[in-house]
Amino acid sequence: EAQVTQNPRYLITVTGKKLTVTCSQNMNHEYMSWYRQDPGLGLRQIYYSMNVEVTDKGDVPEGYKVSRKEKRNFPLILESPSPNQTSLYFCASSLWDPNTEAFFGQGTRLTVV
Amino acid sequence: DQQVKQNSPSLSVQEGRISILNCDYTNSMFDYFLWYKKYPAEGPTFLISISSIKDKNEDGRFTVFLNKSAKHLSLHIVPSQPGDSAVYFCAATPDNYGQNFVFGPGTRLSVLP
Repeated sequence: EAQVTQNPRYLITVTGKKLTVTCSQNMNHEYMSWYRQDPGLGLRQIYYSMNVEVTDKGDVPEGYKVSRKEKRNFPLILESPSPNQTSLYFCASSLWDPNTEAFFGQGTRLTVV
Repeated sequence: DQQVKQNSPSLSVQEGRISILNCDYTNSMFDYFLWYKKYPAEGPTFLISISSIKDKNEDGRFTVFLNKSAKHLSLHIVPSQPGDSAVYFCAATPDNYGQNFVFGPGTRLSVLP
């Protein structure tokens, strides 16, 4: 089954404690990205990757890091989480072709206290 | 400033009637538009798309209309069903910008039995 898998689904952490949210896809997609969803703002892109070892900033990259060492994995790293990073996070993957849809993971609800 | 706007945060429709969800955009470079549907505790799933070379695209009960001169698109669901109750996101991208979609804030549709 084609899918994008994120872990964990729920996470509560304290300010400053480094964390990683994993994302894996089994569709051999070149393109992967991370979004955060906040009330009234929709989904905003954090980082994206066009292929292995190629990453770039999206609209709201501050406080986040990513890596793309393998085609299937695209982890999101928060080196020093802060309360304003409390949000719902989605990983997505797709072909690079702009005229195709993206497939989203089920989401990770992160709370930073 | 939001480049993709969905000015109705919520919409309620009676089962069997038509649902019309609206989306406006400001960036004239946007060339490809998609609608995603999101149920609670799930990731967004692709619903329907339209390229700027068309003004209408149909898929079963779902039709998307694009008015480029007005920078406006709409999603029509006919007939509406209770299972259509979800949050609907409009997304847009310039054709030469790959998968870097800009999402609207979403509209919550409730279809009442």
